[in-house]
Amino acid sequence: DVKVTQSSRYLVKRTGEKVFLECVQDMDHENMFWYRQDPGLGLRLIYFSYDVKMKEKGDIPEGYSVSREKKERFSLILESASTNQTSMYLCASTLPGSHAPEAFFGQGTRLTVV
Amino acid sequence: GENVEQHPSTLSVQEGDSAVIKCTYSDSASNYFPWYKQELGKRPQLIIDIRSNVGEKKDQRIAVTLNKTAKHFSLHITETQPEDSAVYFCAARAMDTGRRALTFGSGTRLQVQP
Repeated sequence: DVKVTQSSRYLVKRTGEKVFLECVQDMDHENMFWYRQDPGLGLRLIYFSYDVKMKEKGDIPEGYSVSREKKERFSLILESASTNQTSMYLCASTLPGSHAPEAFFGQGTRLTVV
Repeated sequence: GENVEQHPSTLSVQEGDSAVIKCTYSDSASNYFPWYKQELGKRPQLIIDIRSNVGEKKDQRIAVTLNKTAKHFSLHITETQPEDSAVYFCAARAMDTGRRALTFGSGTRLQVQP
């Protein structure tokens, strides 16, 4: 089974703190993604990476950055956390190409910024 | 970019009835359409997907239909059971060109009443 693991299930951080959300996958997937899930808005793409040290902005990248130093690990960074970044964050990974397009998700990190 | 709209946002059915969730997409280049189920407190998981070279796909009690001309696709669940209660997300992606990430709909909360 593919495993996508996020480092924390719940986090509470203060406004202005720098926050790191970590995601690790064990299936040698090239593509990794960070989504944000909010009620009524579905899953919105923040950033994705298709290779080590490669990244592309998604639909809502403002206030976030990412790091991919190793293939299996993709980190989401909130440079200066704000209350409007309180949300559920989901990491996902896929193989490239069209033969196995399924996205596998981590268990999610519920971040509260106070 | 791609825009996926999903309706209804909530759906309540009696056990044994059918449930239908509908999505529309905007990018004619999209050719892969998965559906994810997210149970309370759990990660989204793929339940069925369809590619643009077919119009319908079935897997036991669930089926997905695709109308490429109208740019819409639907999830059909027959003989619903209480364990079908969850949030369902549709998504779209152009597998061969451009964006590597899925674009998700806003989700449908399905409640199956026993």
